Amino acid sequence: EAGVTQFPSHSVIEKGQTVTLRCDPISGHDNLYWYRRVMGKEIKFLLHFVKESKQDESGMPNNRFLAERTGGTYSTLKVQPAELEDSGVYFCASSLLGRGETQYFGPGTRLLVL
Amino acid sequence: QQQVKQSPQSLIVQKGGISIINCAYENTAFDYFPWYQQFPGKGPALLIAIRPDVSEKKEGRFTISFNKSAKQFSLHIMDSQPGDSATYFCAASTSRRGAQKLVFGQGTRLTINP
Repeated sequence: EAGVTQFPSHSVIEKGQTVTLRCDPISGHDNLYWYRRVMGKEIKFLLHFVKESKQDESGMPNNRFLAERTGGTYSTLKVQPAELEDSGVYFCASSLLGRGETQYFGPGTRLLVL
Repeated sequence: QQQVKQSPQSLIVQKGGISIINCAYENTAFDYFPWYQQFPGKGPALLIAIRPDVSEKKEGRFTISFNKSAKQFSLHIMDSQPGDSATYFCAASTSRRGAQKLVFGQGTRLTINP
């Protein structure tokens, strides 16, 4: 069974540009999470989808970040316009619905904003 | 305010030794405490997890010790091997419906010297 996949693996953009990250969860996983790790700090929660609905977006830094999950399958995270402090590794994770189900992480997208 | 504090930030252990990583949390609503292992270029992968109704859980060479009154938990790696060299993250969450986001510690970079 394929794991969580993320695209691209790396992205280098200039300040002010737009970047879209994609996550394909494990098939059948209704929970989808986005996290971010900035420069050796802790991994921080960004938002949580249940199917196509946003369950919790309390971790989204500001309105430059937009997440969508079309049809409850793959998800995209768009940063527009990107700022220097947006640099980091963006992880996607998915899990089955249920209490305390294991979250499976993708390999991450390494974003560098110059 | 960091809800989960992890120490040390880095750790070097000789092959065959015991690696110990500690975490402390503040939110008494947390009821699920996983440890994740991350190798370079990969996403975090669940290693072992515990719930507060037990004080210890062991899986092979990996043991979680949990102290509910002190709000602390730790990971012990017995007979540490070079293949255990990785970054380890403790995390916590509440498993109630709709609030399953993981709160991570800052990570510990573990190096096992052969």
